Amino acid sequence: DAKTTQPPSMDCAEGRAANLPCNHSTISGNEYVYWYRQIHSQGPQYIIHGLKNNETNEMASLIITEDRKSSTLILPHATLRDTAVYYCIVRPLWGGYNKLIFGAGTRLAVHP
Amino acid sequence: EPEVTQTPSHQVTQMGQEVILRCVPISNHLYFYWYRQILGQKVEFLVSFYNNEISEKSEIFDDQFSVERPDGSNFTLKIRSTKLEDSAMYFCASGTGDTGELFFGEGSRLTVL
Repeated sequence: DAKTTQPPSMDCAEGRAANLPCNHSTISGNEYVYWYRQIHSQGPQYIIHGLKNNETNEMASLIITEDRKSSTLILPHATLRDTAVYYCIVRPLWGGYNKLIFGAGTRLAVHP
Repeated sequence: EPEVTQTPSHQVTQMGQEVILRCVPISNHLYFYWYRQILGQKVEFLVSFYNNEISEKSEIFDDQFSVERPDGSNFTLKIRSTKLEDSAMYFCASGTGDTGELFFGEGSRLTVL
């Protein structure tokens, strides 16, 4: 079972920041927070991951609370193409043996 | 940019028939996975594969399913005798095992009639 809790849906206006929350209160010390998204019925797409420090890449920023029990994915300037289901997943970093377990995610709708 | 490719994109089959779904992972990746997604439901893990053997499988991955890496580039999922409930989108994924990032293909939609 997924070890994260996310709101089922969110809305965001185009051009505004989308802030997607995730609770992972039972996260272990060796587990990272990963974010993926799935646009329509395409294959899931990696966005970003982090352990305890905030992370930023060309797609998004990841803010992890100091106690690591929750995080927020930030899409700084959402576009219509960011409409997707966003998944927050915790798993250990090392080893490809560690599969991703997808929950229901957050369905983000970006509107004009 | 390298990508995971899957064929066919859509396959329609009769119940009881065998189906083989094919995947070409990214060339330097060592870990391979199959996931499935029934319409409107979650993405579910089926099996992971490393060093030419299954490293983990889910309860869904019963004796009707098998995986193979026949030639060092392709990674296949075989369903021996398809059932109606096997109708789903099947995703292949691969990874290096270093960062935990998995690269997914666009999926193969299987429809069992």
